[in-house]
Amino acid sequence: DVKVTQSSRYLVKRTGEKVFLECVQDMDHENMFWYRQDPGLGLRLIYFSYDVKMKEKGDIPEGYSVSREKKERFSLILESASTNQTSMYLCASHQQGAHRQAFFGQGTRLTVV
Amino acid sequence: AQSVTQLDSQVPVFEEAPVELRCNYSSSVSVYLFWYVQYPNQGLQLLLKYLSGSTLVKGINGFEAEFNKSQTSFHLRKPSVHISDTAEYFCAVTAYSSASKIIFGSGTRLSIRP
Repeated sequence: DVKVTQSSRYLVKRTGEKVFLECVQDMDHENMFWYRQDPGLGLRLIYFSYDVKMKEKGDIPEGYSVSREKKERFSLILESASTNQTSMYLCASHQQGAHRQAFFGQGTRLTVV
Repeated sequence: AQSVTQLDSQVPVFEEAPVELRCNYSSSVSVYLFWYVQYPNQGLQLLLKYLSGSTLVKGINGFEAEFNKSQTSFHLRKPSVHISDTAEYFCAVTAYSSASKIIFGSGTRLSIRP
């Protein structure tokens, strides 16, 4: 079974902190994604990566950055956390090819206080 | 660019009743279409997908969807729902490109009444 693992299910951070959300997949997938999920807004793409050290901005990249040093790991970084970044964050991955299904992690619920 | 519209944010139905969750998309290029389901406190998982060929696609748990190119729709249906179908359902689209991003709709919360 494909597994996408996010390092934390729940996180509470203070405003202004630098926050790292980690995602690891074990199926050698080329493409990896970070989404945030908010009620009524669905999933909004923050960043995606289709290869090591490659990254593309999604629809809402402001306030975020990413890192992909190894194929299996895709990290989302909140440079200076703010309360409006309180949300559910979902990581996903899939093989090369747009017809491939995406596999999702369990999500990280981040609260910024 | 692609976009997805899910017309209903919430759909309440009685157990064993039929249900249809509506999805419309827009795109200037050919696309692949997906439905994902998110059960409470879980990540998303694939329900079904349309790539090409027959416009009626069957998925897991008795769900099916019909691709209608002229109406740019991809509605999800089930003839008889169960309590276990309570979840949020997301329609998604991606263009014919290996590096293409997946665009999701805003989701439809399906609640089943006994």
